[in-house]
Amino acid sequence: EVKLVESGGGLVEPGGSLRLSCAASGFIFTDAWMSWVRQAPGKGLEWVGRIKMKTDGGTADHAAPVKGRFSISRDDSKNMVYLQMNSLKIEDTSVYYCTTVTWAGTVDYWGQGILVTVSS
Amino acid sequence: QSVLTQPPSVSAAPGQKVTISCSGTSSNIGNHYVSWYQQFPGTAPKLLIYENNKRPSGIPDRFSGSKSGTSATLGITGLQTGDEADYYCGAWDTSLSPGVFGGGTKLTVL
Repeated sequence: EVKLVESGGGLVEPGGSLRLSCAASGFIFTDAWMSWVRQAPGKGLEWVGRIKMKTDGGTADHAAPVKGRFSISRDDSKNMVYLQMNSLKIEDTSVYYCTTVTWAGTVDYWGQGILVTVSS
Repeated sequence: QSVLTQPPSVSAAPGQKVTISCSGTSSNIGNHYVSWYQQFPGTAPKLLIYENNKRPSGIPDRFSGSKSGTSATLGITGLQTGDEADYYCGAWDTSLSPGVFGGGTKLTVL
């Protein structure tokens, strides 16, 4: 059974930093592209970014609203994916989902989501 | 404002059929696969359709997907009250890395 478990969320002040972690199990992690998708309260889904598997270059791509502030990384030895969030803004307040994503763009598995609240 | 355009809401009676449209451009739907997701309040989205028209294991054949040019459509037949949820389309985007979603459509089964 595929499991994706996010941790590290919470309340942070504008301008602050937070690192989300995602523990993956139930599949061959080194063969998976991973991604983060977020959802602001009462709003729709929004891509944060994706990271390819090492054999596909291991590169990360980030959406325009977070580029330069957020960074996705992975540790294949621990089956973990991370989202480092810096210079947080109020509009970054969302539930953040850790997901697997295929080369075709299919988000096939989702974590339960974790809330990040940016507020003073 | 989302890159992929969906109607905010659709409704139909139990047992009827409904379709949800998703309109994009050549940067996304026109040159990439489309997937569809179902989300109930307070829960994570769930994959419903992938690669335009394929159903994951466990998804009933009441759900179908199609794509033509820069638009895609989700069809649901034999509507049940349990189908009331938000539905999202998604695709990679060549210009807007890495991808885009529609704004979501709320399905009401009257």
